[in-house]
Amino acid sequence: NAGVMQNPRHLVRRRGQEARLRCSPMKGHSHVYWYRQLPEEGLKFMVYLQKENIIDESGMPKERFSAEFPKEGPSILRIQQVVRGDSAAYFCASSPSRGKGNQPQHFGDGTRLSIL
Amino acid sequence: EDQVTQSPEALRLQEGESSSLNCSYTVSGLRGLFWYRQDPGKGPEFLFTLYSAGEEKEKERLKATLTKKESFLHITAPKPEDSATYLCAVQAVEKLVFGKGTKLTVNP
Repeated sequence: NAGVMQNPRHLVRRRGQEARLRCSPMKGHSHVYWYRQLPEEGLKFMVYLQKENIIDESGMPKERFSAEFPKEGPSILRIQQVVRGDSAAYFCASSPSRGKGNQPQHFGDGTRLSIL
Repeated sequence: EDQVTQSPEALRLQEGESSSLNCSYTVSGLRGLFWYRQDPGKGPEFLFTLYSAGEEKEKERLKATLTKKESFLHITAPKPEDSATYLCAVQAVEKLVFGKGTKLTVNP
């Protein structure tokens, strides 16, 4: 499967714990995006990364949330000291390096995070 | 602020009954308008990109069109397997701004 891979698919945490969500982009893609989908809400942009660089984090909450895309390995979205309001589906998308026109973002199947 | 509004929120059709979904948008400097399909428990699946007013794209029973203020997704003679939530998104810089989607149900 050459698609965007996210794991785990489901994650349950208790309030105050940490959640780590992983995303491996499609082969040949160097741009990674994270989105959050709350029940009855649309997908909301969180952060855009390239290898070892955060390009746009305008959608990230200022506290407890961080993201990275290291030189080797998957992109990680990290949520510290989770609260009930963090329960949502988190989607990762990837696109290739810029060429002619805007390349579409291709999405993984998401991580469903539940906070007890 | 970039904004996308989709209508209707939900649409029920009989198999073979054609219809259209609407996506109205406001964006500063449109770089692309994207249509995705999302099935329950899955991530959005890319369908079309439209770049400029007057552009049209087709794929099987789906046809997407674009004007300066809105896009339409036309569904011709739908089948039950077309049931899904259809998402519209605009891209101004790098990020996508999504609408809330139209949930389409096609009854046999």
